[in-house]
Amino acid sequence: AQSVSQHNHHVILSEAASLELGCNYSYGGTVNLFWYVQYPGQHLQLLLKYFSGDPLVKGIKGFEAEFIKSKFSFNLRKPSVQWSDTAEYFCAVNAVAGNNRKLIWGLGTSLGVNP
Amino acid sequence: DAMVIQNPRYQVTQFGKPVTLSCSQTLNHNVMYWYQQKSSQAPKLLFHYYDKDFNNEADTPDNFQSRRPNTSFCFLDIRSPGLGDAAMYLCATSRGSTSPHNEQFFGPGTRLTVL
Repeated sequence: AQSVSQHNHHVILSEAASLELGCNYSYGGTVNLFWYVQYPGQHLQLLLKYFSGDPLVKGIKGFEAEFIKSKFSFNLRKPSVQWSDTAEYFCAVNAVAGNNRKLIWGLGTSLGVNP
Repeated sequence: DAMVIQNPRYQVTQFGKPVTLSCSQTLNHNVMYWYQQKSSQAPKLLFHYYDKDFNNEADTPDNFQSRRPNTSFCFLDIRSPGLGDAAMYLCATSRGSTSPHNEQFFGPGTRLTVL
């Protein structure tokens, strides 16, 4: 069965620190990959997505993610975090073949940024 | 702008009193989803419609039902809400499995409180 693993459940950083949140998935075929963000009290927003092509994907608010197929990973990065990046971050995957209507979600990473 | 709209944004109901949440979309997408999200957790898929074809998740309680009268609208009915059903309910849409790039678009959610 497909699964998504986010390694860090809680991360605390100081402003201007660099961020990397890990995401690994288990599925041998072609996948679509997503990072969603949920700011406190707000709804889910798409940060970035990977469908095909350049494995380095740039999203909103200075975030980027790199798809490494050999490692089944799609880690999220930001070179310098801000207090406003405090949020919950979810990695999600769906399989292109078969029933790709469903997203498989990671458990989320709670990021706190200290000013 | 094409979007996913959820009404109401906040709903308060009493224990055991039926409640209906609504979702509409202007994206003309084939698939509509209902998720339940509790605090600091990943969204949990309850069910989805592919056109008129209803797909229930195996672990969705019978207390939760859904209707999709047309392409644009989808309803979530909670027949007898319990305290454990207090959560954010998210509606999402996607084009469907014919597209390899099957991104889900989320509405703002309805926060349900059960008294």
